[in-house]
Amino acid sequence: AQSVTQLDSQVPVFEEAPVELRCNYSSSVSVYLFWYVQYPNQGLQLLLKYLSGSTLVKGINGFEAEFNKSQTSFHLRKPSVHISDTAEYFCAVSVSNFGNEKLTFGTGTRLTIIP
Amino acid sequence: SQTIHQWPATLVQPVGSPLSLECTVEGTSNPNLYWYRQAAGRGLQLLFYSVGIGQISSEVPQNLSASRPQDRQFILSSKKLLLSDSGFYLCAWSRGEFEKLFFGSGTQLSVL
Repeated sequence: AQSVTQLDSQVPVFEEAPVELRCNYSSSVSVYLFWYVQYPNQGLQLLLKYLSGSTLVKGINGFEAEFNKSQTSFHLRKPSVHISDTAEYFCAVSVSNFGNEKLTFGTGTRLTIIP
Repeated sequence: SQTIHQWPATLVQPVGSPLSLECTVEGTSNPNLYWYRQAAGRGLQLLFYSVGIGQISSEVPQNLSASRPQDRQFILSSKKLLLSDSGFYLCAWSRGEFEKLFFGSGTQLSVL
């Protein structure tokens, strides 16, 4: 079975500074990878996803992530954060050819932007 | 546009009491529906998913059950709640199994 690890439970970052949220996965087969974001008092929404093709994936709100198969990672990055980026970010992995029913979420990383 | 409604937002229930959480989706037909639970310090865990009326698949054995009496209605139930049922419950839908998930705002359940 696949699994996903988000080592950082909380990440404080100054406004306009860059940020990287780490995600590592484990799977014996090909995977699909996702980042979901949960803003305060809202449900989760998809930030970006990797299914195939280019390993650099761009998402909404200026975020991007890079799939690194050799390091089994899918880290999320943004060059300059804003107060509005304060949220909890979840990495998720699913096995290729299986959909949402095999989607496994990480424990989340709470990003706090410091003014 | 499509919307998902989930209620109640918070719920405090005594051990041994029944549970019913409801989720409805508007603006689409034949959605895939999902129930997730997020326990403190843990990731989202898929509890149930449904690809059609009356079709329920369970990912983990547990004290809970789910039903889909109508196309866009998904209900999470329990006959007798346990302390371990406490957590944050999220309903979600997607257009298909490979389509992105749209989540409701969640229900915080505290079993005391």
